[in-house]
Amino acid sequence: QKEVEQNSGPLSVPEGAIASLNCTYSDRGSQSFFWYRQYSGKSPELIMFIYSNGDKEDGRFTAQLNKASQYVSLLIRDSQPSDSATYLCAVTSAGNNRKLIWGLGTSLAVNP
Amino acid sequence: ETGVTQTPRHLVMGMTNKKSLKCEQHLGHNAMYWYKQSAKKPLELMFVYSLEERVENNSVPSRFSPECPNSSHLFLHLHTLQPEDSALYLCASSQERGTSPSTTNEKLFFGSGTQLSVL
Repeated sequence: QKEVEQNSGPLSVPEGAIASLNCTYSDRGSQSFFWYRQYSGKSPELIMFIYSNGDKEDGRFTAQLNKASQYVSLLIRDSQPSDSATYLCAVTSAGNNRKLIWGLGTSLAVNP
Repeated sequence: ETGVTQTPRHLVMGMTNKKSLKCEQHLGHNAMYWYKQSAKKPLELMFVYSLEERVENNSVPSRFSPECPNSSHLFLHLHTLQPEDSALYLCASSQERGTSPSTTNEKLFFGSGTQLSVL
């Protein structure tokens, strides 16, 4: 069964620190990788996507992909209390239907 | 109106009731989705409509019935639900990359969700 694994947390970091969120996936043929942020009581919101090995930066967010290790991470620099949320990792399965496989999410708490 | 709007936000229903969830997207997308989110489970894809054609139905019980009258509107009709159906139901939309219904884009835009409680 194709899976996406995330540490459920909670991950607690002080304000201003770097938060590192990790995700591993089982389908070696996966092509597309996504990070969604979900505040408590709200719906998921896409914040980053990455298709190629390496780093992709957008503001305070950096996505890192290592296909050989089947590992994708999200770094949040200068963490703010407003970053406190659950971060969902989603990965497309290989093949024509490219179904999205979701992780359970990691809860992040940024402490003032 | 912008983005994806979903109503109602909260719904409490008995097991014999019939209700409908409504979703409307204002993004010009051509694919729409229903997801179920339960505690301690990953997001579960229920239905996908691409170009107004249902392209996926993930073994969802028949007490859930989707309807997509056009590319902007999506409904989920509910009847004789069970308490285990209580969950957050999320509508989403995306822009297809290709002409085949199988190439749905993974960049999803979600509505605010309906928190459903079945008594």
